[in-house]
Amino acid sequence: DQQVKQNSPSLSVQEGRISILNCDYTNSMFDYFLWYKKYPAEGPTFLISISSIKDKNEDGRFTVFLNKSAKHLSLHIVPSQPGDSAVYFCAAHMAGNNRKLIWGLGTSLAVNP
Amino acid sequence: DGGITQSPKYLFRKEGQNVTLSCEQNLNHDAMYWYRQDPGQGLRLIYYSQIVNDFQKGDIAEGYSVSREKKESFPLTVTSAQKNPTAFYLCASSIGGPYNEQFFGPGTRLTVL
Repeated sequence: DQQVKQNSPSLSVQEGRISILNCDYTNSMFDYFLWYKKYPAEGPTFLISISSIKDKNEDGRFTVFLNKSAKHLSLHIVPSQPGDSAVYFCAAHMAGNNRKLIWGLGTSLAVNP
Repeated sequence: DGGITQSPKYLFRKEGQNVTLSCEQNLNHDAMYWYRQDPGQGLRLIYYSQIVNDFQKGDIAEGYSVSREKKESFPLTVTSAQKNPTAFYLCASSIGGPYNEQFFGPGTRLTVL
């Protein structure tokens, strides 16, 4: 049973426009949410995170929004660039002593020039 | 130049053979992790270690073993008991818990013939 769901396997946007990647979760015990970006045949790289006590975190072109009542978060990339083309993973951390992340299946973003 | 390294990048083994994947980090991180990624899937946790000489099973530990004799090193052995060992294996490390940024190695693609 997927506790972290990325319902869109792929997304295609035009260069310069906004990319919105979505993530839904089921467990209200998650206390941190993280986004990672992954290129083929490489390890993921950390992008941005948000604590469950916040509703927005911004870092340059990347903004993550958290809606706790809807158990939904989204990553906005503005403006999108061709180099942003990658697979984006949403991950959630369970509060307490459980030292692990629960990962979504990823969304493949293609930014077209 | 700090980072996390995995070797080799590609590994081929015959069915029934044990194989050990290397993971080394010079980031002085306490926590280290092993993940497995299959096509179209998210990352699944195999084992993790919070400190030297201590490690815990993740979600899919069966058929795998690890050791953590040094802070810098966290090798993963894929044993013959692992039914479907062909996959992309990723090692990661972090300061403290996984809600902090995890730094990933480049990965090892293991193919069992």
